[in-house]
Amino acid sequence: QQPVQSPQAVILREGEDAVINCSSSKALYSVHWYRQKHGEAPVFLMILLKGGEQKGHEKISASFNEKKQQSSLYLTASQLSYSGTYFCGTVLNTGTASKLTFGTGTRLQVTL
Amino acid sequence: NAGVTQTPKFQVLKTGQSMTLQCAQDMNHNSMYWYRQDPGMGLRLIYYSASEGTTDKGEVPNGYNVSRLNKREFSLRLESAAPSQTSVYFCASSERTGGYGYTFGSGTRLTVV
Repeated sequence: QQPVQSPQAVILREGEDAVINCSSSKALYSVHWYRQKHGEAPVFLMILLKGGEQKGHEKISASFNEKKQQSSLYLTASQLSYSGTYFCGTVLNTGTASKLTFGTGTRLQVTL
Repeated sequence: NAGVTQTPKFQVLKTGQSMTLQCAQDMNHNSMYWYRQDPGMGLRLIYYSASEGTTDKGEVPNGYNVSRLNKREFSLRLESAAPSQTSVYFCASSERTGGYGYTFGSGTRLTVV
């Protein structure tokens, strides 16, 4: 039930782009994306609801392919401040009080 | 500043001791959650409260109990701590379950020796 994230880690030079993927074996109601810096709490980036929408947050955007139960996070022109661990979280289309299940994370390091 | 407040920030327990982790939010959120984070395993849900007066088990509830004291407060209790419960614990809240982003507290780093 835990979503699968890939890659597990990525190193970028400042200004480069990256894509982080999140996939589930079950039908999804929503996908969340969070970033966590070392020693800090996760911070909410965005949420995508089923319907295949795409959202953006400055130079960070995401898409949700409802048919494939996959979401991708796009980081363009990366900055040093983008470094951290990115988690996707998925909510199943259960119809009950829904729970957010996190993937194991993708560690992103941006260097000069 | 509005947000989620957790206490304590650090705690060391001996095996068998009990303790309660406190969490309070001032955003008038309906739903609250307790997660634990271990290296390489992401965040795992322990218990959650979809609304005041309700609590439900998450993925890893064994060894824990919770109380939704009121709309603001959601506590997590370890009755008899075990070394396997050494972890970082995060409380979070959201307006409702499912379609809303979560706001996390700063975490409690717990070591059981």
